[in-house]
Amino acid sequence: GAGVSQSPSNKVTEKGKDVELRCDPISGHTALYWYRQRLGQGLEFLIYFQGNSAPDKSGLPSDRFSAERTGESVSTLTIQRTQQEDSAVYLCASSPTGSWRLAFFGQGTRLTVV
Amino acid sequence: DAKTTQPTSMDCAEGRAANLPCNHSTISGNEYVYWYRQIHSQGPQYIIHGLKNNETNEMASLIITEDRKSSTLILPHATLRDTAVYYCIVRVGGQAGTALIFGKGTTLSVSS
Repeated sequence: GAGVSQSPSNKVTEKGKDVELRCDPISGHTALYWYRQRLGQGLEFLIYFQGNSAPDKSGLPSDRFSAERTGESVSTLTIQRTQQEDSAVYLCASSPTGSWRLAFFGQGTRLTVV
Repeated sequence: DAKTTQPTSMDCAEGRAANLPCNHSTISGNEYVYWYRQIHSQGPQYIIHGLKNNETNEMASLIITEDRKSSTLILPHATLRDTAVYYCIVRVGGQAGTALIFGKGTTLSVSS
């Protein structure tokens, strides 16, 4: 595709349920990043993928959060047993290896936990 | 990565230059200054980056002080569409794959 695609664009879930958020990066971009942005706050780094491996998971807030990437392409961020504080916009970005100048962000998934 | 300090908000009249300051007094010699912006409901967008010299592209100019402890992003003729949160980030150059750490940025409001 022409850009980074994220789905769903909006997700409302009940507290305690699991959710999966999907990111389709720009074709050929080997690096993929997940960020979280709570209402009125800055971006919070979650995890970085290089190819299918995740050398930096330092931002994942708890063991309820996990992510995987397959085929050096699509990535899924999974949140188990969602809590209200998980409500945020989850943003995905992709870039050629190490080149933030060429990084593009998706439009994000707005997650609301009720 | 070095920490940056930016004003919380700024206002600018349409058509005037918007000058957004950023302090990064603990920047080290191999750290670049990056600027991104985030328009409401969109993902962040790269604007410009630099190491020592001033830089200019089709979007903006970046002025870095000689001691590199501060910089200014200049939007020469601000338009209403430039209303956004502007993030100043310092990061080691050539560091493959590490994440950019975003602060709270400066909310720029451009009005007619």
